[in-house]
Amino acid sequence: EPEVTQTPSHQVTQMGQEVILRCVPISNHLYFYWYRQILGQKVEFLVSFYNNEISEKSEIFDDQFSVERPDGSNFTLKIRSTKLEDSAMYFCASSLPVGLAETQYFGPGTRLLVL
Amino acid sequence: AQKVTQAQTEISVVEKEDVTLDCVYETRDTTYYLFWYKQPPSGELVFLIRRNSFDEQNEISGRYSWNFQKSTSSFNFTITASQVVDSAVYFCALSDLSGAGSYQLTFGKGTKLSVIP
Repeated sequence: EPEVTQTPSHQVTQMGQEVILRCVPISNHLYFYWYRQILGQKVEFLVSFYNNEISEKSEIFDDQFSVERPDGSNFTLKIRSTKLEDSAMYFCASSLPVGLAETQYFGPGTRLLVL
Repeated sequence: AQKVTQAQTEISVVEKEDVTLDCVYETRDTTYYLFWYKQPPSGELVFLIRRNSFDEQNEISGRYSWNFQKSTSSFNFTITASQVVDSAVYFCALSDLSGAGSYQLTFGKGTKLSVIP
């Protein structure tokens, strides 16, 4: 069964460093998403991406965040200068186009720890 | 704005008991989707069910059943004859058509279910 994959599973970084989280969505999906979950809290939407551009972003997704689909398979989230409060689990998700099966399937997550 | 409320923060049941997880939602849209996801201790989010706003038929899948009631804006989830493997955090989520056409999910805070052997 096709699934969303994410690398790395864990990432530890120093405050101020840049990190890139990688995701490979399900191959025939066209909508891609990033969510984050601070430990013990609910899952929060960050950004959605379609047709090589951001379609929606939350207020959390400020200028330090960026997303990219550098090739036909990867979808990345970059955090330019990490802060302590960026420590969280980051989930990638993908779905088929609106109007079809909109269920978002999630990857296993990347646990980011900023020291 | 969308909102999902899961009033039960934590529930503990003894194995084989039935348990119902509550979910109440708010949205101004007439077309929307409701979801339940399971987050086991390993951390991943596992899709359980999707319901659209025009389909109020209740659904049963094995030991799982869902009760969708638009009149009370609720989408409750029942596990029958609970098992230890059901121990997890369960999230209810809502998606409706945001301005740019993407169905971002709004999650509730989750209910942590512990099934005691």
